[in-house]
Amino acid sequence: EVQLLESGGGLVQPGGSLRLSCAASGFTFYNYAMSWVRQAPGKGLEWVSAISASGGNTYFADSVKGRFTISRDNSKNTLYLQMNSLRAEDTAVYFCAKIGRIVVIPAAVDYWGQGTLVTVSS
Amino acid sequence: DIVMTQSPLSLPVTLGQPASISCRSSQSLVHSDGNTYLNWFHQRPGQSPRRLIYRVSNRDSGVPDRFSGSGSGTDFTLKISRVEAEDVGVYYCMQGAHWPGTFGQGTKVEI
Repeated sequence: EVQLLESGGGLVQPGGSLRLSCAASGFTFYNYAMSWVRQAPGKGLEWVSAISASGGNTYFADSVKGRFTISRDNSKNTLYLQMNSLRAEDTAVYFCAKIGRIVVIPAAVDYWGQGTLVTVSS
Repeated sequence: DIVMTQSPLSLPVTLGQPASISCRSSQSLVHSDGNTYLNWFHQRPGQSPRRLIYRVSNRDSGVPDRFSGSGSGTDFTLKISRVEAEDVGVYYCMQGAHWPGTFGQGTKVEI
């Protein structure tokens, strides 16, 4: 059974940093691209970032480009999202999502974690 | 980016009755490989999204056959043949052959 367990969310001040983790199990992690999708309170879904299976290709939404970094450790079956220079508008639940391909094809997203809440506020 | 527009945004339904949600894209979703990368997701309150339909009309494993997807080009539809209580929540269409994929605004289904 595919399981994705996010951690690292919490309350942070504007301008601060946070690192999210996603521990994956139940599938061959290094064979699949991975992604982060967020959902602001009461709002819809927004792609944040994605990374290919090897980690060689990364993608970012314009809204986070230059502030967020995505990475993965295939030896630990873990996906990361480093978030710097956080803004109030980054407040959201961040979902880790598996993409059913080696390369990043957003439409191939098939499994989601339960999400971790990030609140940016003073 | 491709814009996805869903309608209606709120859908009151009656148990046992059919329901339908429309999704329109700002440009054709037919990819050069011949596939159309249009998915439907369902999100219950307090839960993560679950994919129901991929590539327009293919049901994911475990999805009841009362759910069906159809459409082509820029116009797509999700149909529920007979609504059950567990079908409440928000439904999203999503396109994404290439980064960035985009979601519709969501349609809230309530009994």
